[in-house]
Amino acid sequence: GENVEQHPSTLSVQEGDSAVIKCTYSDSASNYFPWYKQELGKGPQLIIDIRSNVGEKKDQRIAVTLNKTAKHFSLHITETQPEDSAVYFCAASHFGNEKLTFGTGTRLTIIP
Amino acid sequence: ETGVTQTPRHLVMGMTNKKSLKCEQHLGHNAMYWYKQSAKKPLELMFVYNFKEQTENNSVPSRFSPECPNSSHLFLHLHTLQPEDSALYLCASSPRGGKKYDQPQHFGDGTRLSIL
Repeated sequence: GENVEQHPSTLSVQEGDSAVIKCTYSDSASNYFPWYKQELGKGPQLIIDIRSNVGEKKDQRIAVTLNKTAKHFSLHITETQPEDSAVYFCAASHFGNEKLTFGTGTRLTIIP
Repeated sequence: ETGVTQTPRHLVMGMTNKKSLKCEQHLGHNAMYWYKQSAKKPLELMFVYNFKEQTENNSVPSRFSPECPNSSHLFLHLHTLQPEDSALYLCASSPRGGKKYDQPQHFGDGTRLSIL
């Protein structure tokens, strides 16, 4: 089955700096990669996703890149703000398969 | 405001009790999921329902019993739980069918379950 590894487990950055979280996956058939943000006391909320037919996707301060050859994908947050502090999860699945495999999460702390 | 509502938000129960968790989605989706979230572990998929039919049981112990009476409601019946079952239980939903297989799952805020 699919295995998703996520690094780092914790990350602290100064407000205004950039943050990068990386994930690797094992199943070359995986072709859908969502990222979720989970705030304290809340469920995971989708922030961005990418499909394997593109290498990069951007939404304002958030971007995701995908390297299919190396089987890794990354979340980039620029100009970080205090409200970006949360736990971020990557996940992977393949078309027609409803099973999302999640990484172990990254606790991001933005230092004012 | 989430389109997936879970109740109760918190539940404390003894090992011999019977309780149920409820999930309702207002997004018009037809697939629903139960996940278990424990500290420092990845989200664990427990059950999947498509169009009210169970399509996935991820080797979950029988003390967890799901029920999906329609595409908008999902229950998780609990009985004779163990202390290691204490966790956050998350419900999610997504569109299914046709070209919607890779649409994202939308999560509720979960039920925090504590087993005494």
